[in-house]
This record gives sequence, C-alpha cells and structure tokens, in this order.
Amino acid sequence: DVKVTQSSRYLVKRTGEKVFLECVQDMDHENMFWYRQDPGLGLRLIYFSYDVKMKEKGDIPEGYSVSREKKERFSLILESASTNQTSMYLCASSTTGGVYEQYFGPGTRLTVT
Amino acid sequence: EDQVTQSPEALRLQEGESSSLNCSYTVSGLRGLFWYRQDPGKGPEFLFTLYSAGEEKEKERLKATLTKKESFLHITAPKPEDSATYLCAVDYLASQLIWGAGTKLIIKP
Repeated sequence: DVKVTQSSRYLVKRTGEKVFLECVQDMDHENMFWYRQDPGLGLRLIYFSYDVKMKEKGDIPEGYSVSREKKERFSLILESASTNQTSMYLCASSTTGGVYEQYFGPGTRLTVT
Repeated sequence: EDQVTQSPEALRLQEGESSSLNCSYTVSGLRGLFWYRQDPGKGPEFLFTLYSAGEEKEKERLKATLTKKESFLHITAPKPEDSATYLCAVDYLASQLIWGAGTKLIIKP
C-alpha cells in the first residue's frame, strides 16, 4: 500500500520561529510537492521537486524554502514563521509519468501564534 | 485569469438521491482535468483524469464527464460513505495544477 507520511499532524509555533515540516514517501516516486490548503481556497502549490536536490517554485514560495537530499524525503522550511502561515500543509508525491495522479499525506495543521 | 470554480460549495443529499457536482475552468489549452476526493483529516485521494471533451470515466457510483468549459461529477444513488469533499484540478503548467476550492458532499442516511 502506497504511503506518504508527514512528521506531525498538529504543530503550534510562535511568530519568528524556524519551522521544519518533513515528508517521507515509500513509493520511489520522482516528484514531490508541498501545498497549503486554506478554507475557501483551492490547494496552492508552494514548491515541488522532480529529483534529488532539484526544486521549482510554485505559486506561493515566499517565506518558504525546501530541501530534498534523498529521493524519499522532502522538507518544507518556514524561515521565520508568521501568523499568515497558519494553514494545513499537504505533501504529495507522484511518478514522472503520472504527475497528476498524486498521492497525498494526511497533512500537518500548523498554527502560528 | 486562469481559474477553476467548483459549485455548489456544499451539497446535502438523502441516501439514494442522485445529483451532480460542477467544475468550470477558464484555462486555455486544457491538458487534463482531475478529480480527487478528500475525507476529513486526510489528504486528497485521486479519482479520475479526463483529457478531452466528450471523455467519461466511471468508478462505482461516480461518473466524471468533460466538456470544453466544465466537468461534471455525477453521483448515482449515493451512500453515506460517499460523503467527502470533492476537489477538481486542471493542468496549468507542466507538473503544476490549478485547484478548485471543492464541493463538500453530505449524504444523509
């Protein structure tokens, strides 16, 4: 059974803190994605990676960075958390050929106070 | 502006009451349209891909159709376990999608 796991389901951080969100997939997928999901809005792509050490900006990369040192792991970093980054963060992965059939993790609900 | 709009925002049906969800899009040069299901507390789960107008896909009680301007997700004789938020997404750039905000479907027994 395919699996994407995220390091935390719930996270509470203070403004200005550096925040790390980890995502691991066990399907040997080439592509990995980070989205944020807010009520009334569609999923918005923050960053994606199509290979180890490769990354591409999505629609809303400001205030975020990513790291992909190993194929199975994709990390999202909030350099200095702000209250407007309070959101649900979803990680996904897909094969190169099936980029639109994405497999999602359960999400991390991040609250920045 | 490229965008994807889903309607209605929420839909309440009785068990067995068939209906349709709508996904309209304004992107030019559609490459693909995708339907996902999201249960509370979980990430979205892939359902269908549609590539060209006239195409249809079916899975159990769900059938997705595509025209040049919109897609419909028809649900026939739904059961309470079909309750979820249904998301639509459209190919925007290579490896990127534009997502709709979703339709929350509630099926009452």
